[in-house]
Amino acid sequence: DVKVTQSSRYLVKRTGEKVFLECVQDMDHENMFWYRQDPGLGLRLIYFSYDVKMKEKGDIPEGYSVSREKKERFSLILESASTNQTSMYLCASSSPGQATEAFFGQGTRLTVV
Amino acid sequence: LAKTTQPISMDSYEGQEVNITCSHNNIATNDYITWYQQFPSQGPRFIIQGYKTKVTNEVASLFIPADRKSSTLSLPRVSLSDTAVYYCLVGVTNQAGTALIFGKGTTLSVSS
Repeated sequence: DVKVTQSSRYLVKRTGEKVFLECVQDMDHENMFWYRQDPGLGLRLIYFSYDVKMKEKGDIPEGYSVSREKKERFSLILESASTNQTSMYLCASSSPGQATEAFFGQGTRLTVV
Repeated sequence: LAKTTQPISMDSYEGQEVNITCSHNNIATNDYITWYQQFPSQGPRFIIQGYKTKVTNEVASLFIPADRKSSTLSLPRVSLSDTAVYYCLVGVTNQAGTALIFGKGTTLSVSS
């Protein structure tokens, strides 16, 4: 069974902390994505990566960075967490190209207090 | 920026056929159209994908007219468990790769 695993289901952090959200996939996929989901706004793309050490900005990269040192792992970093980054974060992976299916993790509910 | 437009919400009753239409006026020649379903507290999951005409699987059908500027997801005989958010998306491809851009989706509510 294919799997995308996010390291935490729920996370509470303080304002100003550096936060790492980890995502691991076991499908040998080249593409990996980070989204945030907020009520009424749907899923918004933060960053995506199409290869190891490669990254591309999505629609809302401000306040975030990413790291992809290994093919199976894609990390989202909040350099200095703020309350407006309280959200559901979803990781996904897929093969290259468009005629492909993306697989999602269960999400991390991050609360910044 | 999302390339698709779909209704914010739809209501239906059990046993009815539901059709959700998505507009993608600026679709490129190489773009595929993909639909995902998302239940509360879960990540989206793939439903169906197509390039042109009609595609059918065990879950849904996807109708794409010749100009490909819109598409319609058809769910036959919905049940309460089909209550979910449905996303239509068209990949945004550049030299870096293909970014999957989701919009706000359509919230489908099925009642008994």
